[in-house]
Amino acid sequence: QVQLQQWGAGLLKPSETLSLTCGVSGGSFSNYYWSWIRQTPEKGLEWIGDINHSGDTKYNPSLKSRVTMSVDTSKDHFSLKVTSVTAADTAVYYCARGAIMIYGLVGFSVQPLFDYWGQGILVTVSS
Amino acid sequence: DILMTQSPLSLPVTLGQPASISCRSSQSLVHSDGNTYLNWFQQRPGQSPRRLLYKVSNRASGVPDRFSGSGSGTDFTLHISRVEAEDLGVYYCMQGTHWPRTFGQGTKLEIK
Repeated sequence: QVQLQQWGAGLLKPSETLSLTCGVSGGSFSNYYWSWIRQTPEKGLEWIGDINHSGDTKYNPSLKSRVTMSVDTSKDHFSLKVTSVTAADTAVYYCARGAIMIYGLVGFSVQPLFDYWGQGILVTVSS
Repeated sequence: DILMTQSPLSLPVTLGQPASISCRSSQSLVHSDGNTYLNWFQQRPGQSPRRLLYKVSNRASGVPDRFSGSGSGTDFTLHISRVEAEDLGVYYCMQGTHWPRTFGQGTKLEIK
């Protein structure tokens, strides 16, 4: 059974950098895209971006200028950084298995999954 | 971005009765590979979202068969044949056809 466990700082001041990590266990880390999603009462669920085992990333344009995702295949971990946070970045942050890479004769296609989720972390930005 | 619009936003239900939630997308969700990547999620209070259905009508592992999905193109529906107490929570649709992925606003299923 695939499990995702998240950790990171839960309280930040404005202008600081949000940093979260998600560890994957119980299944393959390769050949998937791994996602970050956040949730607020005001905006609901918002997809932040995806990263695969090779480090290929896809970001939401609304956050792209402040977001960096990275991957550590030696530990089956992937991470999220959001710079210059404000109160608007206060949210519950989730990691999830976002998509599977289906290899064909030429390259691969990406099929969305969102079948496994982490437990969520509340990140609060306050001075 | 693809706008996902759910209705109703609040759905009072009687236990044992059926319920339906609508989800409409601002563009067709048919992918170039022929699949329609429309997921439904359930979120119980204090829990992470749980995938119920994928590609419109495929039930995820462990999901009771009282949950079903229908629709095509831009109009989709989640059906619950007989609501049970454990079904209470918020339901979200999500499109995975286009980037960025986008979610509906959520529909709160509550006891009448």
